[in-house]
Amino acid sequence: AQKITQTQPGMFVQEKEAVTLDCTYDTSDPSYGLFWYKQPSSGEMIFLIYQGSYDQQNATEGRYSLNFQKARKSANLVISASQLGDSAMYFCAMREPNFGNEKLTFGTGTRLTIIP
Amino acid sequence: EAEVAQSPRYKITEKSQAVAFWCDPISGHATLYWYRQILGQGPELLVQFQDESVVDDSQLPKDRFSAERLKGVDSTLKIQPAELGDSAMYLCASSSTSRDTWNVDFGEQYFGPGTRLTVT
Repeated sequence: AQKITQTQPGMFVQEKEAVTLDCTYDTSDPSYGLFWYKQPSSGEMIFLIYQGSYDQQNATEGRYSLNFQKARKSANLVISASQLGDSAMYFCAMREPNFGNEKLTFGTGTRLTIIP
Repeated sequence: EAEVAQSPRYKITEKSQAVAFWCDPISGHATLYWYRQILGQGPELLVQFQDESVVDDSQLPKDRFSAERLKGVDSTLKIQPAELGDSAMYLCASSSTSRDTWNVDFGEQYFGPGTRLTVT
C-alpha cells in the first residue's frame, strides 16, 4: 500500500484564491511527522510546513496551513491568497520513527499552476 | 543562511560511462541523504548516512551505484556504468537529527539544488 497518496496530479487556481492540496497517509505507528515541500521548476525542494502526530493544533506558517485530520489520516495543505510564485510541484512526505535513522517517504506530488 | 551545496547542477553522459555527484551538507549536520527523483515522481531515498556510516542503503542499486562519506562531512555518489534509466534528478539533503536527538528534533531535511542527470 502507498504510504503517502496525493490524488491531484495537477491543479489550476486563480490568483488570490485559496487552494487546498490533498494528502492522505498510511501508518500504524502512533508517532510520525508530516511535511510539505515545494519544488519550483529549478528543482530544489523547499520546506514549507511540519505537523507532528501528537500536535494538538494545526500547523501554520504564514500563508500555509496544514489541515490535519488524524482519524482520517489526512494532512491537506492550504495556501491562502495564492500568488503567481506559488506555481510549482508540491510534495507531501511522512517521517516514521526509527531511532535517529528516520527517512522521508514522499507522495507523487501535485503540480499547482496559478492563473493571473 | 547555510545551504546544502551540490555539483554539478547538470550532467549529460553516455550510457556505460561513469558519473559522480558531490554534496556538501550544512555544517554540523550529522545525517546526509541521497535521493533520486524520476520525472513526474516524488524523491526516493537511495542512501542515508549518519556521520560516516551508512544506516540505510536498501534502495541503492549496489551493482552500479556507490556512495561514500569518508570523513563524515561531504559525500560522493557514483554510478558506473550509467544506464538510460538512470536519467533523473539526484537530490542531496542533510538534517541535524541524529541518534541522540531524534526524539526532540522534528527532523527537517534541507535539500540542495540537485544534479539533473541525462544519460544518452
